[in-house]
Amino acid sequence: DAMVIQNPRYQVTQFGKPVTLSCSQTLNHNVMYWYQQKSSQAPKLLFHYYDKDFNNEADTPDNFQSRRPNTSFCFLDIRSPGLGDAAMYLCATSRGGLADEQFFGPGTRLTVL
Amino acid sequence: AQSVTQPDIHITVSEGASLELRCNYSYGATPYLFWYVQSPGQGLQLLLKYFSGDTLVQGIKGFEAEFKRSQSSFNLRKPSVHWSDATEYFCAVGASGTYKYIFGTGTRLKVLA
Repeated sequence: DAMVIQNPRYQVTQFGKPVTLSCSQTLNHNVMYWYQQKSSQAPKLLFHYYDKDFNNEADTPDNFQSRRPNTSFCFLDIRSPGLGDAAMYLCATSRGGLADEQFFGPGTRLTVL
Repeated sequence: AQSVTQPDIHITVSEGASLELRCNYSYGATPYLFWYVQSPGQGLQLLLKYFSGDTLVQGIKGFEAEFKRSQSSFNLRKPSVHWSDATEYFCAVGASGTYKYIFGTGTRLKVLA
């Protein structure tokens, strides 16, 4: 089945140790999004790619970076994770039209020790 | 500025009772509106969406929602709630001129046996 896949589902890292989260899609969608979701809160958009065009949200910390080497894959890099970065990270995709729904992956739960 | 409000953080209903989850939006033009459900530790799944046409929209899992322009609302309803419906629900509006969402803060549903 076509879907959005995130790896790993659970990631534990140490304070300040770089970590990379992976997202892949088989939907051939133009847009890929990364969200941060903390407990009992709405997802917060960090950035998104429309094809190769990167769009950063104004309040996304510099500590968060992203790469999209091809249509199918997108990575979230956290250069120096802090305790406040512990959260669920959700990847989503859409075709890119204004009325198009977003398809979400299952998320990666990040723990920072 | 565009916004989405879910006035009820928590709602408790008895199994078999009817359900209505409220969503109000602030938007200048015809909005693109979405309801998502999120099971614990999982990504978001689309229940239904509205962007034009019939203001009563049918979704998956027996849910429906009605768009009321005069009240700036898009409330989610279900005639008879099942225990498996107990989880968190998010309303979202497509941000003007973009393919990004503005999410509400979510409503957590508890179902009593």
